[in-house]
Amino acid sequence: AQSVTQPDIHITVSEGASLELRCNYSYGATPYLFWYVQSPGQGLQLLLKYFSGDTLVQGIKGFEAEFKRSQSSFNLRKPSVHWSDAAEYFCAVGPYNTDKLIFGTGTRLQVFP
Amino acid sequence: NAGVTQTPKFRILKIGQSMTLQCTQDMNHNYMYWYRQDPGMGLKLIYYSVGAGITDKGEVPNGYNVSRSTTEDFPLRLELAAPSQTSVYFCASSFPGGDGVEETQYFGPGTRLLVL
Repeated sequence: AQSVTQPDIHITVSEGASLELRCNYSYGATPYLFWYVQSPGQGLQLLLKYFSGDTLVQGIKGFEAEFKRSQSSFNLRKPSVHWSDAAEYFCAVGPYNTDKLIFGTGTRLQVFP
Repeated sequence: NAGVTQTPKFRILKIGQSMTLQCTQDMNHNYMYWYRQDPGMGLKLIYYSVGAGITDKGEVPNGYNVSRSTTEDFPLRLELAAPSQTSVYFCASSFPGGDGVEETQYFGPGTRLLVL
């Protein structure tokens, strides 16, 4: 079955610390992978996406993610977290030419000063 | 352009009432979607549309209806509201993937619905 797992429901980090949010997927075909961020009371904003090519993908706001096919993972990283990064982060996987994204349950990030 | 807009932002309904959640996009996207987001859960696809006049069910379509008379608009209809429909509803749009065109879904700000 196709699925996305975000093992960490809630993560707390100090401002300036590094961050890694985990995402594992189960998908029968070539996956197309996305990370979205949702700030409180807001809609989802695309951070980055992986379709093909270089497995290290750069996104907005200083985020990056690495696709590891052997581990079925697409972890999101940021070297130094800012207080404004506090939000909920969703990993999603989808096929190429249809539109049924499968979302993980999200990871809530809290940032302490 | 405004992207994806949704109205209303918040609504309280009584059980059995009906309402329409509005969604409009100005990016000339062919594909549009409706999701619901329940607390502690990811997004679940309710309905989607690949173009004007074409709609299809997603994962959780029961209790909802949609129509797509224009490229820009994709309203979601709740006919007999139930407490189980208390959720946050997100509309999204995208170009279709394929032929080397990358597909990214763009989301609206959401409509928070409370059914009492």
